Amino acid sequence: AQKVTQAQTEISVVEKEDVTLDCVYETRDTTYYLFWYKQPPSGELVFLIRRNSFDEQNEISGRYSWNFQKSTSSFNFTITASQVVDSAVYFCALSGTGANSKLTFGKGITLSVRP
Amino acid sequence: SQTIHQWPATLVQPVGSPLSLECTVEGTSNPNLYWYRQAAGRGLQLLFYSVGIGQISSEVPQNLSASRPQDRQFILSSKKLLLSDSGFYLCAWSSSRALVEQFFGPGTRLTVL
Repeated sequence: AQKVTQAQTEISVVEKEDVTLDCVYETRDTTYYLFWYKQPPSGELVFLIRRNSFDEQNEISGRYSWNFQKSTSSFNFTITASQVVDSAVYFCALSGTGANSKLTFGKGITLSVRP
Repeated sequence: SQTIHQWPATLVQPVGSPLSLECTVEGTSNPNLYWYRQAAGRGLQLLFYSVGIGQISSEVPQNLSASRPQDRQFILSSKKLLLSDSGFYLCAWSSSRALVEQFFGPGTRLTVL
């Protein structure tokens, strides 16, 4: 069975601070995908990134960066110089690579960025 | 580009009334389609998914049903709503050629009174 744990439930930071959102996963699959989604107050889930299990290279996209470590089964997300618009719920998710694989979501982390 | 629509955006229904939520996707063919519910605790629960017209898989037993009458249309229904059906319902699609990331619609907020 697959499981995604986001131990942090709520994080509050002041604008311009860096913040890291933790994600730990469990799977028996040898190949899998990891994802991060953002859910702003409007409710729609916005896809941020997909990472393949065979690619442990970290990724940076503007103020966003992701640290994938297979050895610790973690896929952490860092926002550098946070902004008020980053306030949202962030979900980490996991799926297998098979034909009928489904997304398993963590419970989400509510990030509040104060001006 | 692909677009996913859901309606209505919000809905308030009495207990025991029927329900029909609609989801349509544009700009792609033969997508995989999904219905999720997000209750007050924030977690996302997969309710149904479909890999083709008339093909529906149910993830959890419940008071709801789903149908896919057309390639890019996915409908969530109930004959009699329960209080516990309240929540935020999200439709999503993914490419049938590569079962990877899912793209979500704007959601429907359902309140059952």
